Amino acid sequence: DAGVIQSPRHEVTEMGQEVTLRCKPISGHNSLFWYRQTMMRGLELLIYFNNNVPIDDSGMPEDRFSAKMPNASFSTLKIQPSEPRDSAVYFCASSRKSGTSGNYEQYFGPGTRLTVT
Amino acid sequence: AQSVAQPEDQVNVAEGNPLTVKCTYSVSGNPYLFWYVQYPNRGLQFLLKYITGDNLVKGSYGFEAEFNKSQTSFHLKKPSALVSDSALYFCAVRQLNTGTASKLTFGTGTRLQVTL
Repeated sequence: DAGVIQSPRHEVTEMGQEVTLRCKPISGHNSLFWYRQTMMRGLELLIYFNNNVPIDDSGMPEDRFSAKMPNASFSTLKIQPSEPRDSAVYFCASSRKSGTSGNYEQYFGPGTRLTVT
Repeated sequence: AQSVAQPEDQVNVAEGNPLTVKCTYSVSGNPYLFWYVQYPNRGLQFLLKYITGDNLVKGSYGFEAEFNKSQTSFHLKKPSALVSDSALYFCAVRQLNTGTASKLTFGTGTRLQVTL
C-alpha cells in the first residue's frame, strides 16, 4: 500500500491567497483526520471524518478554514484567505473506522509544510 | 475529558543503555493508549498500542510499553538504545466507548537524543 498521500509537500504563498491541501487516505480506511503541527502549539486535531461525514470540527481555528471529503479516497483542507500565522505542517491521517471502539491506529501522511509570507 | 502528559521535553541516553520515555494519562473510563514516533521532516509513525490484556506491549523497532492502571501511566521503553532511535515520541490516548469515536488526544512530545 502506498500509505497516506498528501500534496503538495511544500507550499509557499502570500498572505490573502487561497491554499488547498489534498489528502488520499489508505484504501479501506473509513476515518480521516487533519492535524496541524507547530513548535508553539504542538500537534492539533483540526477535523475528522467517519465515512466521509465530518464528525468533529471543533479544532478548526476559524471560518477561514474548511475541509471536505467528497468521497472515500479524497479530502481537502482549504484556507481562504491565508495568514502568516497559518504557517505550519499540516498532516492528514487515516484509520479503519472505529465506531464506538477506538483500537485502530492512525496512519499519517508525510505532511504539507505551509509557509504564508 | 481525556488528556495526556509527557513530563519530559527531552531525554538523553547513551547508545546501548536502556531508555524510558514517560507518559501519564487521564480518562474517565478505560483507555486505549498509543505511542508514535516522528523522525525529522516525516509524519508520525505508529509504534505500539495497548487495548486490553497483557500490561506489557511490544511494538516496532524493539520498543515496548508498560500499562500501569494504578499509576495511570504508559511509559515507553527499550532495553538498548540506538543512535537511530533519536526522534520525537508522542503518547496518545483515547477513551473507550465515547461518542467521539475516533478522536485521539496526543501529548506534547518528548525528544529522544541517543549519543555514542
